[in-house]
Amino acid sequence: DGGITQSPKYLFRKEGQNVTLSCEQNLNHDAMYWYRQDPGQGLRLIYYSQIVNDFQKGDIAEGYSVSREKKESFPLTVTSAQKNPTAFYLCASRGYTYYGYTFGSGTRLTVV
Amino acid sequence: GQNIDQPTEMTATEGAIVQINCTYQTSGFNGLFWYQQHAGEAPTFLSYNVLDGLEEKGRFSSFLSRSKGYSYLLLKELQMKDSASYLCAVMDSNYQLIWGAGTKLIIKP
Repeated sequence: DGGITQSPKYLFRKEGQNVTLSCEQNLNHDAMYWYRQDPGQGLRLIYYSQIVNDFQKGDIAEGYSVSREKKESFPLTVTSAQKNPTAFYLCASRGYTYYGYTFGSGTRLTVV
Repeated sequence: GQNIDQPTEMTATEGAIVQINCTYQTSGFNGLFWYQQHAGEAPTFLSYNVLDGLEEKGRFSSFLSRSKGYSYLLLKELQMKDSASYLCAVMDSNYQLIWGAGTKLIIKP
């Protein structure tokens, strides 16, 4: 079955450490997105990519980086420059036959 | 600017009907979505409206008025499992989803 896989489900980061969140899809979708969600809040866009080797900053890109070397993969790195990284991170993709987004199951990142 | 407003929290009784409203102001419009999100989980798709009117899907219905920038999600015969957050999102002229903050729905027995 096609879908989006995010890993790991839970991730703990020490202060000053970079961590990378994985997002892989086998839906053949061109567009992929990373969102951050804080408790009781809506989704805020970090980065998005509409095609391989191209990506754009969203509303809260500072302290994050991404790459899109393959259509299937859109990893997110949370750098030490992100001062408050504890949050729920969601990856999504969108195809062109249906406008809705398909979401991964999310990664909960905690700074320890 | 782009803005989507929905109530922060609502409470309803099991077996009853509840209506969750959403108003929006966006640059362009390519449809309005409703998603359901249980705590700690990813959002799941409920409905999509691009034309004015009511779309019914089982116990859930969604209404859109583009001229008023208004939508609602109607949930009938509420069940305890309907306790969740309901997210309203509008697809803008760049085909990006603009999200509301979500409405937390609490169902009481």
